[in-house]
Amino acid sequence: GAGVSQSPSNKVTEKGKDVELRCDPISGHTALYWYRQSLGQGLEFLIYFQGNSAPDKSGLPSDRFSAERTGGSVSTLTIQRTQQEDSAVYLCASSSASGGAQETQYFGPGTRLLVL
Amino acid sequence: AQSVTQLGSHVSVSEGALVLLRCNYSSSVPPYLFWYVQYPNQGLQLLLKYTSAATLVKGINGFEAEFKKSETSFHLTKPSAHMSDAAEYFCAVSGTGFQKLVFGTGTRLLVSP
Repeated sequence: GAGVSQSPSNKVTEKGKDVELRCDPISGHTALYWYRQSLGQGLEFLIYFQGNSAPDKSGLPSDRFSAERTGGSVSTLTIQRTQQEDSAVYLCASSSASGGAQETQYFGPGTRLLVL
Repeated sequence: AQSVTQLGSHVSVSEGALVLLRCNYSSSVPPYLFWYVQYPNQGLQLLLKYTSAATLVKGINGFEAEFKKSETSFHLTKPSAHMSDAAEYFCAVSGTGFQKLVFGTGTRLLVSP
């Protein structure tokens, strides 16, 4: 079956521009996560959506970062006024949240963002 | 609070040798522990996970890990390394009421012929 997909796979932007990253989770998965992978910070959690509950935004590094999940499926991560330190690989994951924290998170291939 | 420590950013083994990648965790709640593998320019793939059932967990590609509460460890092993095992390996922890994964810094496994 189809896994988690992300688009674009690569994005190059200029400092100060806004970018949108898209994630299509596995069909039927109610939980969706965004993580960031960078050389300096490793893999870090950004935001978590579970069904219709309010998202856990505790990992967003600044108010330039926001995310939404429409219709309980597709999610978009938006970075406004990008900075060079935003350069990283942005990974999306989804899980069947029925089992809670022990459920396996399935990861997409990531979006590699480069801010010039 | 939860955290994971992976000792050794790089581990080198010869093909056919034992693979041992170390992971120690800290958790304020009973932990769930995961090992993921990442091949170049790809996402993360689950190797195995511990969810409070059997302490010895078997995963894909011949890997296994043992949960040792007394040592707060969840080390990953494989009896005989293959060239195809060369990748980066991440240990992660979550727990009830703590849905997100907290990752270690990763260990790059190098396999030489």
